[in-house]
Amino acid sequence: QVQLQESGPGLVKPSETLSLTCTVSGGSVSSGSYYWNWIRQSPGKGLEWIGYIYYSGSTNYNPSLKSRITISIDTSKNQFSLKLSSVTAADTAVYYCARGFMTRKVRDAFDIWGQGTMVTVSS
Amino acid sequence: EIVLTQSPGTLSLSPGERATLSCRASQSVSSRYLAWYQQQPGQAPRLLIYGASSRATGIPDRFSGSGSGTDFTLTISRLEPEDFVVYFCQQYDSSLFTFGQGTKLEMK
Repeated sequence: QVQLQESGPGLVKPSETLSLTCTVSGGSVSSGSYYWNWIRQSPGKGLEWIGYIYYSGSTNYNPSLKSRITISIDTSKNQFSLKLSSVTAADTAVYYCARGFMTRKVRDAFDIWGQGTMVTVSS
Repeated sequence: EIVLTQSPGTLSLSPGERATLSCRASQSVSSRYLAWYQQQPGQAPRLLIYGASSRATGIPDRFSGSGSGTDFTLTISRLEPEDFVVYFCQQYDSSLFTFGQGTKLEMK
């Protein structure tokens, strides 16, 4: 079955760039039937959607984070990635990647999630 | 931004009882674009309901969703011990996806 796995540093210094990768197994990021998301969860803010990317490379970002985010996709490695620049303590959270499915060529909900990775911003 | 407000924050019930969880949107959401997720402690959310009322694969039929416009409901008909966790609603109608703050279902 399809699985998603986040990877990346668990500790990032303030003002630096957080970089995470989501590796997809059992399925292909090149499928037009899905789109690929990043979500984070912190105790104080609940679940926050960060952004998504299609296999084509087209993206949509949360406006509150847009100036600091880059989401990219590598179809050769079957991965997609998140970069969040100029991090502060407020970016400390569990970061999830998730697959969104398409229904009749329209975006639908998130049916498969990675287990999540905790990222702490601290010097 | 569409703000989703879930109520109650915490719901105390007993196994076998019926649970009704509410999700209210700050503006109208197409029922096609409303989902519910369940989150067990230390785990990622799991999709329960999409399109306001369609159960995801493998979800027991004791879970059901309904609603339209600004008011949506997740109903659990007969609570099992494993259902006493946290539930989130999500809208993906607008280009900015948002989640509710969650309802915790606790065992009385």
